[in-house]
Amino acid sequence: DVKVTQSSRYLVKRTGEKVFLECVQDMDHENMFWYRQDPGLGLRLIYFSYDVKMKEKGDIPEGYSVSREKKERFSLILESASTNQTSMYLCASSPYTGSTGELFFGEGSRLTVL
Amino acid sequence: QKEVEQNSGPLSVPEGAIASLNCTYSDRGSQSFFWYRQYSGKSPELIMFIYSNGDKEDGRFTAQLNKASQYVSLLIRDSQPSDSATYLCAVNGGDYGQNFVFGPGTRLSVLP
Repeated sequence: DVKVTQSSRYLVKRTGEKVFLECVQDMDHENMFWYRQDPGLGLRLIYFSYDVKMKEKGDIPEGYSVSREKKERFSLILESASTNQTSMYLCASSPYTGSTGELFFGEGSRLTVL
Repeated sequence: QKEVEQNSGPLSVPEGAIASLNCTYSDRGSQSFFWYRQYSGKSPELIMFIYSNGDKEDGRFTAQLNKASQYVSLLIRDSQPSDSATYLCAVNGGDYGQNFVFGPGTRLSVLP
């Protein structure tokens, strides 16, 4: 079974702190994604990566950066956390199979910024 | 801007009934269509995917795709209380498999 593991299920941080969210997948998938999910707004793509050291902005990249130094690991970084970044963050991976690959999600990281 | 819309919920059906969930998408270039189920506080899990026009059945679930109408639906037969969840429609059409666009979700409640 594909496993996507997010390092922290629950985090509480203060405004201005730097936050790292880590994601590891064990199926050698090329593509990895970071989404945030908010009530009424659904899943919104922050960044994605289709190869090591490659990254593409999604729909809401402002305030976030990412790092992909190894194929299995994709990190989301909040350089200076703000209260409007309180959200559920979901990491996902998919194999490169053209347009037919499904997304496999991690369990999510619920971040609260005070 | 690619958009995916779903019928607004919550949708309530009695146990044993058929639940019908609908989704429309704006990008005619979309090629793959997915239905995810998400229980409260959990991450989405894939129920079904469909690539070709027509119906695809898997147990109690049937996905229907009509590319001409840009419409995809999910039917759940013999609905059970355990089917109560939010159902997300996702559409993909990118070359690298990265252009997943999600609908806002429809919350389904199956009443015992």
